[in-house]
Amino acid sequence: EADIYQTPRYLVIGTGKKITLECSQTMGHDKMYWYQQDPGMELHLIHYSYGVNSTEKGDLSSESTVSRIRTEHFPLTLESARPSHTSQYLCASTSPPTGSQPQHFGDGTRLSIL
Amino acid sequence: AQKVTQAQTEISVVEKEDVTLDCVYETRDTTYYLFWYKQPPSGELVFLIRRNSFDEQNEISGRYSWNFQKSTSSFNFTITASQVVDSAVYFCALSSRGGGADGLTFGKGTHLIIQP
Repeated sequence: EADIYQTPRYLVIGTGKKITLECSQTMGHDKMYWYQQDPGMELHLIHYSYGVNSTEKGDLSSESTVSRIRTEHFPLTLESARPSHTSQYLCASTSPPTGSQPQHFGDGTRLSIL
Repeated sequence: AQKVTQAQTEISVVEKEDVTLDCVYETRDTTYYLFWYKQPPSGELVFLIRRNSFDEQNEISGRYSWNFQKSTSSFNFTITASQVVDSAVYFCALSSRGGGADGLTFGKGTHLIIQP
């Protein structure tokens, strides 16, 4: 069973606020991902990391940023939230060899910017 | 570029009926992996199955079965004797070793509604 945790589960906040979405995994996985999912739509990769101090942008352009200072922790930050950032954000991790192994997902953060 | 197509946006059946969810994929890579995930209303993604491009054997797990056909680039998912708890959005996804991120390319999902 995968152990990957996201907080908060739900967040409603005003425009212009700085937001950090937390993601932690206890499996020691090097590869971690952030996906964005609009309601009723598919998931799009916005960030990924190969390991500590590695971060890359995904297929979908995003104004968010990520950091990877510790293996288990992969937070996502929005410096100034806007209504267009309203979405669900899902964090995932996987064991090697990457690409072939299933990604294990957290429960997601449902973000609503007023 | 990779692409996954789930043409069925929504399917509604009565409990105990069998239902098949279609998935068609496109990739130029010879080595790739296909996945099915379930997303219940609570929002989390639950991994169901993985299949690699070299293994065309069909698989059965309880009431679930998967049919992988490289000739038609399809990886369909069948639920036999459906139950209300099967109601969810089901995503088909693709990844390849040639992709830089090894991230998953998802289809748009099929919303499955099982009516009692």
